[in-house]
Amino acid sequence: DAKTTQPTSMDCAEGRAANLPCNHSTISGNEYVYWYRQIHSQGPQYIIHGLKNNETNEMASLIITEDRKSSTLILPHATLRDTAVYYCIVRAPTDSWGKLQFGAGTQVVVTP
Amino acid sequence: DAGVIQSPRHEVTEMGQEVTLRCKPISGHDYLFWYRQTMMRGLELLIYFNNNVPIDDSGMPEDRFSAKMPNASFSTLKIQPSEPRDSAVYFCASRPNNRGGEAFFGQGTRLTVV
Repeated sequence: DAKTTQPTSMDCAEGRAANLPCNHSTISGNEYVYWYRQIHSQGPQYIIHGLKNNETNEMASLIITEDRKSSTLILPHATLRDTAVYYCIVRAPTDSWGKLQFGAGTQVVVTP
Repeated sequence: DAGVIQSPRHEVTEMGQEVTLRCKPISGHDYLFWYRQTMMRGLELLIYFNNNVPIDDSGMPEDRFSAKMPNASFSTLKIQPSEPRDSAVYFCASRPNNRGGEAFFGQGTRLTVV
């Protein structure tokens, strides 16, 4: 059973903020939320991760709801180079790395 | 650091031939992972190492696949004999030994077995 649910695809206008939702209603207390993306023909790229507090880095912001059942990745000013498949993953530090399962993700297309 | 380096970037081989994929992880990273990506199955973990020791190889499809990590800076994934269904993009990734740390992926090797 998938631990996360994401929309299949979404479009975003260049220069606007892209808000990518992820549902993880069965998340456990020690599981982190990770976001990766994969640009066509490249390897997955780490974006950000968090446990319960909101996080921000040079790439994006991660907003986690208080009940931790869902989160939103925010790309503040989307560019054409942000077109990629975005993966939301939940994983506990003690989990086997075989559990870092990349599901289908969200195909984000940034348009001019 | 140049990141995780994989070679070759592309490999085309005939069915039955031996194929060796190579990976140089980021210096200082204790974990190394081999993944396979196909349209049908997405990204699958094949095997991972911690401090050069294989920890979990449950994702290795069958005995035709083998992986080694003779030292901290080099790993190989070998397929012998190769089959058309092995065609995929193979990614190597590494990460440091800190809780919650992210994994860094290489550019991948696109393998085509004809």
